[in-house]
Amino acid sequence: GAVVSQHPSRVICKSGTSVKIECRSLDFQATTMFWYRQFPKQSLMLMATSNEGSKATYEQGVEKDKFLINHASLTLSTLTVTSAHPEDSSFYICSRASGTPGLEFFGPGTRLTVL
Amino acid sequence: DAKTTQPPSMDCAEGRAANLPCNHSTISGNEYVYWYRQIHSQGPQYIIHGLKNNETNEMASLIITEDRKSSTLILPHATLRDTAVYYCIVRVAGSSTGKLIFGQGTTLQVKP
Repeated sequence: GAVVSQHPSRVICKSGTSVKIECRSLDFQATTMFWYRQFPKQSLMLMATSNEGSKATYEQGVEKDKFLINHASLTLSTLTVTSAHPEDSSFYICSRASGTPGLEFFGPGTRLTVL
Repeated sequence: DAKTTQPPSMDCAEGRAANLPCNHSTISGNEYVYWYRQIHSQGPQYIIHGLKNNETNEMASLIITEDRKSSTLILPHATLRDTAVYYCIVRVAGSSTGKLIFGQGTTLQVKP
C-alpha cells in the first residue's frame, strides 16, 4: 500500500491566493522529505529538501519565500505556494527518504491549477 | 552525478519482455544505477537499483555491463499496466545528501 500520501490531490485557485499542500509519511518517521515539481511533458525537478525541525534546503532558482516548507513533525511536511500565479500551475510531488540513500517513496502528487 | 541517456520511447507487446536500455558511460566507481517509473499523473515508483552485479526483484531485473557504462532494465512479462515513463538515474548511494536527478526517461507503451 501507499507509504506517502498527499492532500489535496488537485486544487484550483485564483491568482494571488496561497495554497497549502500536505505530504504525510504513513509508515515511517521521516526526518527528510523532498518536494518536486513537474510541468506538463517535462521531467521532475527537485525543489527543496525538507528536514524535520530545521529549515528546508532549496535548489538553485527556487524562491524560498514563495514556496514555504514546514516539516514540523516526523510524519508531515507542508508546501505552501504563496501568492500563486498561473505559471505556478504544475504537478507537485513529495517523497520521503528511506533507509537506503537514493531510494525514495513518492506520494501520488498534487495537481495545482492557478487561474 | 553521472548523466544518463535513454531512448525517448519504446513499444512492447503485452506478455513479451520489455528491455529498456540506459547509457551511463561517465559513471563513477561509487555510483549506483537506479530505476524508477512514473505512470501517467502519478508519483514515481522505485523499481530496482544496483552497483555492478545483476539484480532481480519481484518487479524487474537489472543487467549492468561489466564496464558499467550501460545497463538494461528487463520487465519479463510486460502488461498494459507497465505503460509508463521509465527513468534511469545514476547516484552515489553512500551520500545522504545526494539527490535524484530525473532525465526525460523512456516512455514505454505496452500494446495488446
